[in-house]
Amino acid sequence: DIVLTQSPDSLAVSLGERATFNCKSSQTVLSSRDNKNYLGWYQQKPGQPPKLLISWASTRESGVPDRFSGSGSGTDFTLTISSLQAEDVAVYYCQQYHSSPLTFGGGTEVEIK
Amino acid sequence: EVQLLESGGGLVQPGGSLRLSCAASGLTFSSYWMNWVRQAPGKGLEWVANIKQDGSEKNYVDSVKGRFTISRDNTKNSLYLQMNSLRAEDTAVYYCASGGGWRIEDWGQGTLVTVSS
Repeated sequence: DIVLTQSPDSLAVSLGERATFNCKSSQTVLSSRDNKNYLGWYQQKPGQPPKLLISWASTRESGVPDRFSGSGSGTDFTLTISSLQAEDVAVYYCQQYHSSPLTFGGGTEVEIK
Repeated sequence: EVQLLESGGGLVQPGGSLRLSCAASGLTFSSYWMNWVRQAPGKGLEWVANIKQDGSEKNYVDSVKGRFTISRDNTKNSLYLQMNSLRAEDTAVYYCASGGGWRIEDWGQGTLVTVSS
């Protein structure tokens, strides 16, 4: 099974500042077939289901603000919020869809400093 | 707009059974892989199972193999999860989720399953 390790577990950032968190995979999620990274990022606010923000490691979903960006390839990935807004307080999860079983990272909780 | 509405959750004793349902609308249901993902209280997300568009392929996390069965009825735009031999550690909110390929895009609001005596 592919294990995804997210860091840090939690992060406190001032409004307007940059937030960066990481996701490391125990195996590559880069497909040799299509050269795509099978990794997504989700945002989950309290009492709500997760929302897909980023697919294929770096493709922002429709309607997602451009302050959210994803990067990385192979086994190391990053989600960046360029200017933290109050509504970004949430837990962020990475997930791989390269191999079964599909797996999620443990999450990074983002709060306002 | 995609809508996924789960039902069937509740309180069940250890060793008991429960069948979850998910009614889908706003998407061509038969064109999508469908998933069940769960979240124990205060914990992270755990993928449980998925099923191919025509039902010909099913995948499960090891912890539910042999106990849970995923199925779908494309004529009713519905997804199901039959859960048998339930354990305390199966207590969670269960989400129905759709996606292109194995990518999970849209999620329902979830239904709570509590396994307790």
